Amino acid sequence: DAGVIQSPRHEVTEMGQEVTLRCKPISGHDYLFWYRQTMMRGLELLIYFNNNVPIDDSGMPEDRFSAKMPNASFSTLKIQPSEPRDSAVYFCASSFLRDTEAFFGQGTRLTVV
Amino acid sequence: KQEVTQIPAALSVPEGENLVLNCSFTDSAIYNLQWFRQDPGKGLTSLLLIQSSQREQTSGRLNASLDKSSGRSTLYIAASQPGDSATYLCAVPMAGTALIFGKGTTLSVSS
Repeated sequence: DAGVIQSPRHEVTEMGQEVTLRCKPISGHDYLFWYRQTMMRGLELLIYFNNNVPIDDSGMPEDRFSAKMPNASFSTLKIQPSEPRDSAVYFCASSFLRDTEAFFGQGTRLTVV
Repeated sequence: KQEVTQIPAALSVPEGENLVLNCSFTDSAIYNLQWFRQDPGKGLTSLLLIQSSQREQTSGRLNASLDKSSGRSTLYIAASQPGDSATYLCAVPMAGTALIFGKGTTLSVSS
């Protein structure tokens, strides 16, 4: 398996634009996690899915953020409208069970200007 | 609410030294503890996972210990090499949620 695949690797957008980040988890993994990493706050959990169903979205900062998992092999994180404070690295991770080893993608570095 | 703390935030050592990175957590009701490595501009690579019933886990020059009762874990790196330079993060899963991370220790090993 190629591991967790995220796209794009880098995204630069203007404030107010819609941004969509994509993730393909490892095949057979039932859990998918979205994290955000900043220098100030470190790694923060945004939302996670089990069998394509959102389980905990308490980390989603506000209504501008939304996440979907239409099938077992694809998830999106959307920010609309984007703001400069959303600039961060967004990671997707997957695991077979919630408490087993988690595997991370390479991340998407988002810059909102 | 679970909080994970890593000390020190940064560490510089000469090549060949043995070193210890520390991780502490406030709630001992954990299923396991994971140590990750992150290189600049890269994702996280899992190094070791210690189950709550274990006290130690080893992989090559790395040894991780876990003391649930005191809320502590250590990552021991033997005979450090410049290639070990990276940020090391520990994380614990909590019931009802996913991994909670510390802010990491940035290690620099000079040759």
